[in-house]
Amino acid sequence: NAGVTQTPKFQVLKTGQSMTLQCAQDMNHEYMSWYRQDPGMGLRLIHYSVGAGITDQGEVPNGYNVSRSTTEDFPLRLLSAAPSQTSVYFCASSSPGLAGGRGQDTQYFGPGTRLTVL
Amino acid sequence: AQSVAQPEDQVNVAEGNPLTVKCTYSVSGNPYLFWYVQYPNRGLQFLLKYITGDNLVKGSYGFEAEFNKSQTSFHLKKPSALVSDSALYFCAVRARGGATNKLIFGTGTLLAVQP
Repeated sequence: NAGVTQTPKFQVLKTGQSMTLQCAQDMNHEYMSWYRQDPGMGLRLIHYSVGAGITDQGEVPNGYNVSRSTTEDFPLRLLSAAPSQTSVYFCASSSPGLAGGRGQDTQYFGPGTRLTVL
Repeated sequence: AQSVAQPEDQVNVAEGNPLTVKCTYSVSGNPYLFWYVQYPNRGLQFLLKYITGDNLVKGSYGFEAEFNKSQTSFHLKKPSALVSDSALYFCAVRARGGATNKLIFGTGTLLAVQP
């Protein structure tokens, strides 16, 4: 298994440009998430999905769109990049916990995409 | 609202000494608690989690964490630090009943182990 893969690893954009960060997982996980990591702020949840066709907003969704057409893929789109979106982006996947809270319940992270917006 | 606090930006420890990385949380009800580690230029890796049961949880690479409900803490510990343990450590919390991918992360603690 490749686990969670992300492309590209690095990207430089100009303000106003658009792009899509790709995320794929081969573990048949139902849940997928996008986080951004900024110095001194830890990881913040952008959007998440609990299954194909179902997405919802996290803590910092503004400026980002997502879709989940398949179980494997969860792309993150920046429609008009801004310097404030300069960050490292991580995708993660997990299986839902079993009844009673036990079960896998562990998120697996991709290697990240380092995005710079000039 | 859920929150996680890691009060130390950096922890310095000599190789062979015990280490503690602190974490306190605020969440309604009983939480699910996690520790993740991030090595340079890598994604986060799962270390351990507390779901229920024994308050002392053992995880990967010799790490353990103790859940203390009265102090709302979940400190990460290791009896003898290695230089290779140097990394960024994140504590995370999720409320019971919430989606398993709605974790709230702390700001991270950089662990530096000197040889």
